[in-house]
Amino acid sequence: ETGVTQSPTHLIKTRGQQVTLRCSSQSGHNTVSWYQQALGQGPQFIFQYYREEENGRGNFPPRFSGLQFPNYSSELNVNALELDDSALYLCASSGSDTDTQYFGPGTRLTVL
Amino acid sequence: SQQGEEDPQALSIQEGENATMNCSYKTSINNLQWYRQNSGRGLVHLILIRSNEREKHSGRLRVTLDTSKKSSSLLITASRAADTASYFCATDAVVTDKLIFGTGTRLQVFP
Repeated sequence: ETGVTQSPTHLIKTRGQQVTLRCSSQSGHNTVSWYQQALGQGPQFIFQYYREEENGRGNFPPRFSGLQFPNYSSELNVNALELDDSALYLCASSGSDTDTQYFGPGTRLTVL
Repeated sequence: SQQGEEDPQALSIQEGENATMNCSYKTSINNLQWYRQNSGRGLVHLILIRSNEREKHSGRLRVTLDTSKKSSSLLITASRAADTASYFCATDAVVTDKLIFGTGTRLQVFP
């Protein structure tokens, strides 16, 4: 157990809808990174938040957005869902004194 | 885009045998990390090796890094059925300072 939690575990949406995924970071960690993992692929970096500010973004369109709160928990929002957004969404937290990222169990999103 | 490529894509061995997975990457790195993932769940961090290190050990794991060849290998000795999982290398690239994952190796260990 890493201490990183994600909710919900599973989610089914239809094309065009919007979704919010949540992540609680490990105690003492101020950085949260989000990844998208399609079936059979490695995780792809979406973006990272450090102390409530976006700190880097991967090759994802603007309809993928995020927030980090003062307690360092985070949200990933995806608007106008597309079928290809179906994936496992992982968040990972890390602290200023470590390069290691600690992953949550993920949210499985299915878009129909 | 994926920075790293793991080889082989899939590996099947018997319990007690050693498993070796390789990772190649494209750009200069600060460090390289190996993660394990069981059945599409969260990733578990295994080991981190910095760019100025050549070899690192952790229990039954041995990682090597060759920055001149931009490659790394993960050796799992005396494998167990519980080692069955997907293994990913991830590079912390100097330019981006973000983790970029490879495509993964699916390891199956038969009892």
